[in-house]
Amino acid sequence: AQSVTQLGSHVSVSEGALVLLRCNYSSSVPPYLFWYVQYPNQGLQLLLKYTTGATLVKGINGFEAEFKKSETSFHLTKPSAHMSDAAEYFCAVSDLLGQAGTALIFGKGTTLSVSS
Amino acid sequence: DTEVTQTPKHLVMGMTNKKSLKCEQHMGHRAMYWYKQKAKKPPELMFVYSYEKLSINESVPSRFSPECPNSSLLNLHLHALQPEDSALYLCASSQDEGVVGEAFFGQGTRLTVV
Repeated sequence: AQSVTQLGSHVSVSEGALVLLRCNYSSSVPPYLFWYVQYPNQGLQLLLKYTTGATLVKGINGFEAEFKKSETSFHLTKPSAHMSDAAEYFCAVSDLLGQAGTALIFGKGTTLSVSS
Repeated sequence: DTEVTQTPKHLVMGMTNKKSLKCEQHMGHRAMYWYKQKAKKPPELMFVYSYEKLSINESVPSRFSPECPNSSLLNLHLHALQPEDSALYLCASSQDEGVVGEAFFGQGTRLTVV
């Protein structure tokens, strides 16, 4: 089974500072990786995804992530944090569940706080 | 239309009640999912439907009963729930179950069992 580990359950940054949220994956096959954001009392919104091809992936709201196979990492970054970025962020991997099919498996999440 | 619509948004039910959660998508997606999310936790997979057939049941108690009447609708029937079943229930859909698929999530149903 594939899995993801998010390092740091809570990250705090100042407005305008760099945002770095860490995600490492464990997979025996090339993984398909995703970052989702969840605002309070809301569903999940896809920020970006990596399937194949370019290892630097750009997403919505100025976020990007780089797939590094040698480090088994897929860290999420944003050059300049905005107050509206405060939310819960989940890294996820598309996992093959036996012969039944696939589904997204999520990391434990990282809460991003942004202060003015 | 890239929306997954879930109803109701909030539900309070007693332990002897029977209720249903509904999920609808009109994106032509052939895979649909139910996730359960407790506070401050990640979503946990419950069920996967592929082409209207149940393909994955993650050892969910029988008091949760999924149903997929057609390719656009997904229901979750609830009966004799326990207070610990209180959570946010998320529905999602994806084009298919292929590993490249991304999932679109609904806003969730906040369930409270009293």
